[in-house]
Amino acid sequence: DIVMTQSPDSLAVSLGERATINCKSSQSVFRSSVSKNSLAWYQQKPGQPPKLLIYWASTRESGVPDRFSGSGSGTDFTLTISSLQAEDVAFYYCQQYYSAPWTFGQGTRVEDK
Amino acid sequence: QVQLQQSGPGLVKPSQTLSLTCAISGDSVSSNSATWNWIRQSPSRGLEWLGRTYYRSKWSNTSAISVKSRMTINADTSKNHFSLQLNAVTPEDTAVYFCARGKPGGDAFDIWGQGTVVTVSS
Repeated sequence: DIVMTQSPDSLAVSLGERATINCKSSQSVFRSSVSKNSLAWYQQKPGQPPKLLIYWASTRESGVPDRFSGSGSGTDFTLTISSLQAEDVAFYYCQQYYSAPWTFGQGTRVEDK
Repeated sequence: QVQLQQSGPGLVKPSQTLSLTCAISGDSVSSNSATWNWIRQSPSRGLEWLGRTYYRSKWSNTSAISVKSRMTINADTSKNHFSLQLNAVTPEDTAVYFCARGKPGGDAFDIWGQGTVVTVSS
């Protein structure tokens, strides 16, 4: 199985400041057939299911604010929130869909400082 | 828009069978581009993908090895839903269970059910 490791586990950022979350996979998730990385990012708030933010490592899902961006390739990926808003306080997860079983990172908690 | 609505009991006794259903609206379980997945979440295991069913000229299933021997995922085209059965449950199967659509063209999960809290206890 591909192991997904996120860092940090928790992050406190002042409103309006940048938040950066890292995700590392135990093997490359680059799918050469489509020249894309099979990596997604989700946001989860208490009592809700995860919400897809980013797929193919850097493609923003429809309706997701452009302050959310994804980058990286191969085994190292980053989710950036350019200017943290109060509604962005949540848990964030990365997930690979390169090789079954699809696996998730352990999550990063983003809080308001 | 596409929505998934879960149903099923929230309490299951040890050694019995956990059964959940996910009703699809706005899409078809027979879609040739989406996949239909079950995922669970617990404090000890985090988010854990369990398995999926999908149709590409024929029906196929993929399962996580950890539950493969105990789990069945079926699609019902007449009701446009898919279901999860997990046999011989133990307290370690206590979790929030989600159904989710694998996004057409890739397997990011773009649509989720509301979640069902399932407790395994006598």
